[in-house]
Amino acid sequence: GAGVSQSPRYKVAKRGQDVALRCDPISGHVSLFWYQQALGQGPEFLTYFQNEAQLDKSGLPSDRFFAERPEGSVSTLKIQRTQQEDSAVYLCASSLVRNQPQHFGDGTRLSIL
Amino acid sequence: QQQVKQSPQSLIVQKGGISIINCAYENTAFDYFPWYQQFPGKGPALLIAIRPDVSEKKEGRFTISFNKSAKQFSLHIMDSQPGDSATYFCAAREGGSYIPTFGRGTSLIVHP
Repeated sequence: GAGVSQSPRYKVAKRGQDVALRCDPISGHVSLFWYQQALGQGPEFLTYFQNEAQLDKSGLPSDRFFAERPEGSVSTLKIQRTQQEDSAVYLCASSLVRNQPQHFGDGTRLSIL
Repeated sequence: QQQVKQSPQSLIVQKGGISIINCAYENTAFDYFPWYQQFPGKGPALLIAIRPDVSEKKEGRFTISFNKSAKQFSLHIMDSQPGDSATYFCAAREGGSYIPTFGRGTSLIVHP
C-alpha cells in the first residue's frame, strides 16, 4: 500500500489479557517508530527500529510492553497483562531513514475494560 | 514536566479568519520544529516545519513564525476554511535525535 497500515483499528480487551498490534510500514522504509497517544494528548514515543534492530526502547512504560520487527518490515507491539491505563491510541510511523519526515498510520484504538 | 507547551487548547474561528496557535519550549537543544495536523480517526500528518536559522516559513495558507530568543513559535492559518478543522500539534526535536516531543494539541473548529 501507499501508506502505513495498522491493524486492528480497534481492539477491546479485558484487563489482564494480552494484545498484539500490527504495523505495516511503507515499503522500503528503514525506520519504524511506535507511539502512544492518550486521549487529548500528543503522541509519546515508545520505541524505534532500524530495519530489524530495536535501537531504542526508552519510551516503553513497563516490561509488559514488547515490540519486534523480525524481518525488518512488519512490526508487532505486544502488551501483556493489560491494565486500564494502557487504554490509548497506538500509532506506528515509518520513515526512509531516521531523521526524515515520519509517516504515521491511523493507529489502533485500544480499550481495556 | 512538559517540554513543549501549546496554547490554546481549543480554538473557534470563522471561515476566512486567521487561526493562530502558539508553542513555547525551554530546551535550547531543540533545532527542528514541525507542526502536525490530525483529523479524527487518523494519524498525524506533517504540515510544515522550521529550523531556528529562519524566523518565518510560509507554505500556502500556513505560516510558522519562530522567535529564537523568546523560545516560542507559532502557526498561522490564513483564510481559515472548514476543512482546516482538526487537531494541530506542535513538536520539537533535538539535533541528532529522531524523537519529536509533541505539545498537547489544539482543537481547531472553523465555522462556515
